[in-house]
Amino acid sequence: DVKVTQSSRYLVKRTGEKVFLECVQDMDHENMFWYRQDPGLGLRLIYFSYDVKMKEKGDIPEGYSVSREKKERFSLILESASTNQTSMYLCASSLWAQGGDYGYTFGSGTRLTVV
Amino acid sequence: DQQVKQNSPSLSVQEGRISILNCDYTNSMFDYFLWYKKYPAEGPTFLISISSIKDKNEDGRFTVFLNKSAKHLSLHIVPSQPGDSAVYFCAATVDSGTYKYIFGTGTRLKVLA
Repeated sequence: DVKVTQSSRYLVKRTGEKVFLECVQDMDHENMFWYRQDPGLGLRLIYFSYDVKMKEKGDIPEGYSVSREKKERFSLILESASTNQTSMYLCASSLWAQGGDYGYTFGSGTRLTVV
Repeated sequence: DQQVKQNSPSLSVQEGRISILNCDYTNSMFDYFLWYKKYPAEGPTFLISISSIKDKNEDGRFTVFLNKSAKHLSLHIVPSQPGDSAVYFCAATVDSGTYKYIFGTGTRLKVLA
């Protein structure tokens, strides 16, 4: 079974803190994604990466950055956390050119609260 | 601009009956569509997909229909079971290779026993 593991299920951080969300997948997938899920807004893409050290902005990259130094690990960084970044964060991965038939594999999510 | 829309935030269906979840899209270039199911406190799980060259795809109790002229996608669950109670997201992409999906806002399905 493909596994996508997010390091924390719940996080509480203070406004202005630098926050790191970690995601690791164990199936040698090329593509990795960070989404956030908010009520009434669905899942919105923050950043994605299709190879080591490669990254592209999604629809809502402002206030976030990412790092992919190894194929299996994709980190989301909140440079200076703000209360409007309180959300459920979902990491996903997929094989190059197979995302049509099989979609993504998602992690269980990290619920981040910024106070 | 919401390119993928799920206009019904919630739906209740009796156990054993058909559940129909709808999704509309605006971008005629979308070439793959997916449905995901999400339980509380879990990540979404892939349910079923359809490419734009088909109009129907079936997997057990789940069937996805695609009407390209209407830019409309639907998921049928027959028969519905209480374990199907979850939030369902449709998603679409034009981006082969990376498969960067755009998700709808989700529909919460409640199957009543």
